[in-house]
Amino acid sequence: SQKIEQNSEALNIQEGKTATLTCNYTNYSPAYLQWYRQDPGRGPVFLLLIRENEKEKRKERLKVTFDTTLKQSLFHITASQPADSATYLCALGTDKLIFGTGTRLQVFP
Amino acid sequence: DGGITQSPKYLFRKEGQNVTLSCEQNLNHDAMYWYRQDPGQGLRLIYYSQIVNDFQKGDIAEGYSVSREKKESFPLTVTSAQKNPTAFYLCASSIDGRRGDEQFFGPGTRLTVL
Repeated sequence: SQKIEQNSEALNIQEGKTATLTCNYTNYSPAYLQWYRQDPGRGPVFLLLIRENEKEKRKERLKVTFDTTLKQSLFHITASQPADSATYLCALGTDKLIFGTGTRLQVFP
Repeated sequence: DGGITQSPKYLFRKEGQNVTLSCEQNLNHDAMYWYRQDPGQGLRLIYYSQIVNDFQKGDIAEGYSVSREKKESFPLTVTSAQKNPTAFYLCASSIDGRRGDEQFFGPGTRLTVL
């Protein structure tokens, strides 16, 4: 069956460092991959979309890579800030999205 | 102000009762979705609709029903047949669900069965 894995343990990093979150998948060939941010008790907010024929996408301090051979996406936040603390979800799609469980990021001063 | 709204924010229901969750969008999006989120789990798709008067089952449709009579509205009914309905329910919309467009989410409804 299709499976998406994100690190269930929280990632704790110091302000100013680069945070790297991982999304691995198996038994799936997605046409695209999306990353969302979710704050406690709220709906997810879209951050970035990357398609299967793209290797890398950037938006301000965010960067996402997509390796269809390794079946992995990496999500980077450079110069991280305490305001970046949230849960980050990856979602893979063809005709519909399948979400991972998310990784909680905590940025401390 | 364009957006997607869900009501109510908190909902309590007795076992055996049906309950309807509201979802409205004024973004002029064709596609709408309902997800369920449980602690420690990802969002799971209940139902989705890519056009008015048409909808498809998602991965966990049993015990739920929907309608899509208007483009801007996609209500979800949680029936008494749903064995474990206590969860956080999220509605979303996108321009065209078939192109991988970003999904815009509502604030969610937290349903608790007493």
